[in-house]
Amino acid sequence: AQSVTQPDIHITVSEGASLELRCNYSYGATPYLFWYVQSPGQGLQLLLKYFSGDTLVQGIKGFEAEFKRSQSSFNLRKPSVHWSDAAEYFCAVGPGNNNDMRFGAGTRLTVKP
Amino acid sequence: NAGVTQTPKFQVLKTGQSMTLQCAQDMNHEYMSWYRQDPGMGLRLIHYSVGAGITDQGEVPNGYNVSRSTTEDFPLRLLSAAPSQTSVYFCASSRSYEDNEQFFGPGTRLTVL
Repeated sequence: AQSVTQPDIHITVSEGASLELRCNYSYGATPYLFWYVQSPGQGLQLLLKYFSGDTLVQGIKGFEAEFKRSQSSFNLRKPSVHWSDAAEYFCAVGPGNNNDMRFGAGTRLTVKP
Repeated sequence: NAGVTQTPKFQVLKTGQSMTLQCAQDMNHEYMSWYRQDPGMGLRLIHYSVGAGITDQGEVPNGYNVSRSTTEDFPLRLLSAAPSQTSVYFCASSRSYEDNEQFFGPGTRLTVL
């Protein structure tokens, strides 16, 4: 069965600094990979997704993620963090249909002024 | 468009009480789902529906019932609430079973005493 690990429960970065959130997955076939963001009191919003092709994926709000098959990773990056990026971030993996998607436990991002 | 709406936002129940969490979407989406979010565990799928009149179980269905009489509405019923059902509940929808861009509602925070 597929699973997702987000090793960092909580990360704090200064505004303007770069960001990398880690995601490792376990999956028997080529995975579909996703990053979602959850702002306080809100539902989840899709940031980006990877199905196939170019392993560097661009998303909304200036985020990108890189799929590394050899490392079973799909890390999320942003070159310069804004205070509005403070939120919880979830990585998810699946076979391509919604009911088999598995979510990681999330990484909470705090942005210092 | 209102997107995905959920009511109530907060609810406190006593053990053994029943209640229905409401979910509605105005995007004419075929696929709808219910997740629960617990600290350190990410989101877990409770039930889902691929269209009006069709529902199925997800990863953690015990203690919950659903029905889908219209495309727009997908209520979640707790039959006899237990403290283990204390959680945040999210409803989500997407155009189809295979369309992984799910749109999430703002959530319902449920406490069972």
